[in-house]
Amino acid sequence: TQLLEQSPQFLSIQEGENLTVYCNSSSVFSSLQWYRQEPGEGPVLLVTVVTGGEVKKLKRLTFQFGDARKDSSLHITAAQPGDTGLYLCALSNTGNQFYFGTGTSLTVIP
Amino acid sequence: ETGVTQSPTHLIKTRGQQVTLRCSSQSGHNTVSWYQQALGQGPQFIFQYYREEENGRGNFPPRFSGLQFPNYSSELNVNALELDDSALYLCASSERRSRDEQFFGPGTRLTVL
Repeated sequence: TQLLEQSPQFLSIQEGENLTVYCNSSSVFSSLQWYRQEPGEGPVLLVTVVTGGEVKKLKRLTFQFGDARKDSSLHITAAQPGDTGLYLCALSNTGNQFYFGTGTSLTVIP
Repeated sequence: ETGVTQSPTHLIKTRGQQVTLRCSSQSGHNTVSWYQQALGQGPQFIFQYYREEENGRGNFPPRFSGLQFPNYSSELNVNALELDDSALYLCASSERRSRDEQFFGPGTRLTVL
């Protein structure tokens, strides 16, 4: 059973387009993280969201935590080829064990 | 500040063999976690070490074992390799007091034939 489901699994868009990827859980979680992973590299932390309804912005990336703390979204405005990568959400239960989602593989075509 | 490093980068083994993967944590970090990432999947938590003690384990069999050394570097050992063990093995380090912020190494790509 997958604790975190991400959608879509694959996304291919043209440079300049907007996109949203989703992360959903059947359980409430205390905090959630978003990572980006490029080929041949480990995941890199983008943001941690903690409070229900919280919205965080990182340049062209907007992260939202659902009010019920069971879902999250990542919106990218005016996507660029440098945004290409695998986007992963992850949650921590006790602080020493992290569960990752299935990932969304994004390709931005120049 | 030195980031997380892993060795080797790539490794090819045959079924039944044993393998040891190594990780050097980022300076100042005393906690190391290991993950297995199959192709096209998210990382799966194997276990975590804090001050040389195992501090949490995921759903992996006992043939996956680890060590953490006094300098906080770590090893992942896998015995009796199976074909399904082929994956990218990632190491992540963190400060214990900042549990949520993990820094990942580039991984070791293990292929089991």
